[in-house]
Amino acid sequence: DTEVTQTPKHLVMGMTNKKSLKCEQHMGHRAMYWYKQKAKKPPELMFVYSYEKLSINESVPSRFSPECPNSSLLNLHLHALQPEDSALYLCASRLTGSSYNEQFFGPGTRLTVL
Amino acid sequence: SQQGEEDPQALSIQEGENATMNCSYKTSINNLQWYRQNSGRGLVHLILIRSNEREKHSGRLRVTLDTSKKSSSLLITASRAADTASYFCATVPGGGSPRIQGAQKLVFGQGTRLTINP
Repeated sequence: DTEVTQTPKHLVMGMTNKKSLKCEQHMGHRAMYWYKQKAKKPPELMFVYSYEKLSINESVPSRFSPECPNSSLLNLHLHALQPEDSALYLCASRLTGSSYNEQFFGPGTRLTVL
Repeated sequence: SQQGEEDPQALSIQEGENATMNCSYKTSINNLQWYRQNSGRGLVHLILIRSNEREKHSGRLRVTLDTSKKSSSLLITASRAADTASYFCATVPGGGSPRIQGAQKLVFGQGTRLTINP
């Protein structure tokens, strides 16, 4: 299995809703990432987990709450989002233990906040 | 923060022609990677070049890296309609704590939107 899966593919939520995005990989990668991408812009890093521990938080608002329950799964919990949070949310993973290697991206979750 | 700048922002060529995209960055790097993104989809890794390498080939792709100028180029030869996509360079910054280096964050350029016309 050489892919990163993300669910749901699309999500529409109101500003008072609580929802979660899910990311899964079974490649044995121990580094996992969340990115946010607005239209016609590059991905922006949000969080990095390394060996299931939060390694980097790029000053993301607390209405985004990441969770890494095990080495294969990464969640992003959403609460009280704003319309400007509408974007494509991408998950990625990477094989650790090597200085130079690529990240594998999932297809993304298209989020719309009403 | 996004340290990479790419040019052109958009490129439209005829099928069969070569496409060249350029990327500049600001800080020292461990490596530089190129990714492709089809409209609204995830990114696909194309090629990685290390900071001590100057040129690399993979199929129809050729990447160069000039660390003295902090720049890289991606050449796609004999373009095909299926090459239509956005292309991003991404750097892995050098320096920082071992914890930060281990996390190996990618910093993306602004991207080039490539259109191949049949």
